[in-house]
Amino acid sequence: NAGVTQTPKFQVLKTGQSMTLQCAQDMNHNSMYWYRQDPGMGLRLIYYSASEGTTDKGEVPNGYNVSRLNKREFSLRLESAAPSQTSVYFCASSDVFGTGLAYGYTFGSGTRLTVV
Amino acid sequence: QKEVEQNSGPLSVPEGAIASLNCTYSDRGSQSFFWYRQYSGKSPELIMFIYSNGDKEDGRFTAQLNKASQYVSLLIRDSQPSDSATYLCAVRGRDDKIIFGKGTRLHILP
Repeated sequence: NAGVTQTPKFQVLKTGQSMTLQCAQDMNHNSMYWYRQDPGMGLRLIYYSASEGTTDKGEVPNGYNVSRLNKREFSLRLESAAPSQTSVYFCASSDVFGTGLAYGYTFGSGTRLTVV
Repeated sequence: QKEVEQNSGPLSVPEGAIASLNCTYSDRGSQSFFWYRQYSGKSPELIMFIYSNGDKEDGRFTAQLNKASQYVSLLIRDSQPSDSATYLCAVRGRDDKIIFGKGTRLHILP
């Protein structure tokens, strides 16, 4: 049982390059999320998908796009990478959304992205 | 702006003692509260969640919630060196979004 799988684990991009971070979960969760984590800033929500077919902006969406490909997969795309997007990116999923209760998130292992 | 506040630490606690981690939140309508542990270079791992006022115990961990005062705490009894990590407080509000605190670094002294 893999849980939440993110690829790649590490990536170095040049300014202006594009790339897609992949995320897949095998827990049949409805909701999926993309966070970035920077020193001193904590985890910040980029985009989320409450259910298959829906996506919404989080706290820091500028410079990113997402696609909920199916119930299992939620990808994050950087169209034109900037040094400010150097960060650790975490994908997460959860079982419950919209009921007022929560079972917490299961996180992937993260992608360490450096933009030079 | 909804906020979750934690002391960044580091909090140093002798091995075998009780570690006490605190968190305050701004959204009075928040409904669910979580504690995550994050080892350096790893992803956050859920260790406790609590919905109701009072205490919730799970092994060496106790989560405490006081909605009137808008604070959540985590107690770790019989602290072990393996408990050294960053602990993230997270709060789910009425809009179902989870906001994370910036974390408290805990160092257990052997």
